[in-house]
Amino acid sequence: RKEVEQDPGPFNVPEGATVAFNCTYSNSASQSFFWYRQDCRKEPKLLMSVYSSGNEDGRFTAQLNRASQYISLLIRDSKLSDSATYLCVVNAQYNNNDMRFGAGTRLTVKP
Amino acid sequence: DARVTQTPRHKVTEMGQEVTMRCQPILGHNTVFWYRQTMMQGLELLAYFRNRAPLDDSGMPKDRFSAEMPDATLATLKIQPSEPRDSAVYFCASGPRRGAEAFFGQGTRLTVV
Repeated sequence: RKEVEQDPGPFNVPEGATVAFNCTYSNSASQSFFWYRQDCRKEPKLLMSVYSSGNEDGRFTAQLNRASQYISLLIRDSKLSDSATYLCVVNAQYNNNDMRFGAGTRLTVKP
Repeated sequence: DARVTQTPRHKVTEMGQEVTMRCQPILGHNTVFWYRQTMMQGLELLAYFRNRAPLDDSGMPKDRFSAEMPDATLATLKIQPSEPRDSAVYFCASGPRRGAEAFFGQGTRLTVV
């Protein structure tokens, strides 16, 4: 079983739609969680950290469920510019291993 | 604007040749990661360093890959000898401390023919 698993998609949604991605992780001792965004042929860029109480940044909301070991990303009022691959990242902080990435979920927002 | 710098951006080499990729982490960051990305495998963690000390390189094929940090401003990833299956984008990332987010360089796109 992979340490971090995501639905690869693709998710194809119209502009203005709300879309949600989930990500599960296997190590219950994981401490830090992030969502990154990666555009085609570019490097991953930090979208937002995920805090235990959940957090929001404009149209983006991230949540953490430690009991079920998953994190989620909700995008409201999606824009064409949101089209990208969204990567879930978990920092295991055990055995000195850090920053494990999921395979990513591909989102395409259509006019 | 602080950023991670990787060189070269693109490299085409013949099978069997040595390849060296370089990374300059963001000044003051004490954690450096090397990742490899392919369409099939996604982002794989190859190795990572904290305060220049290698903490984990279990993701690297030891017989041909090596990663070092000669000083705080330079990290290197070497492949010797290179093979066609090593063709991928290699990313370096740095982070300010344990458990914090990482910032990526633009990557080295390696093609081994």
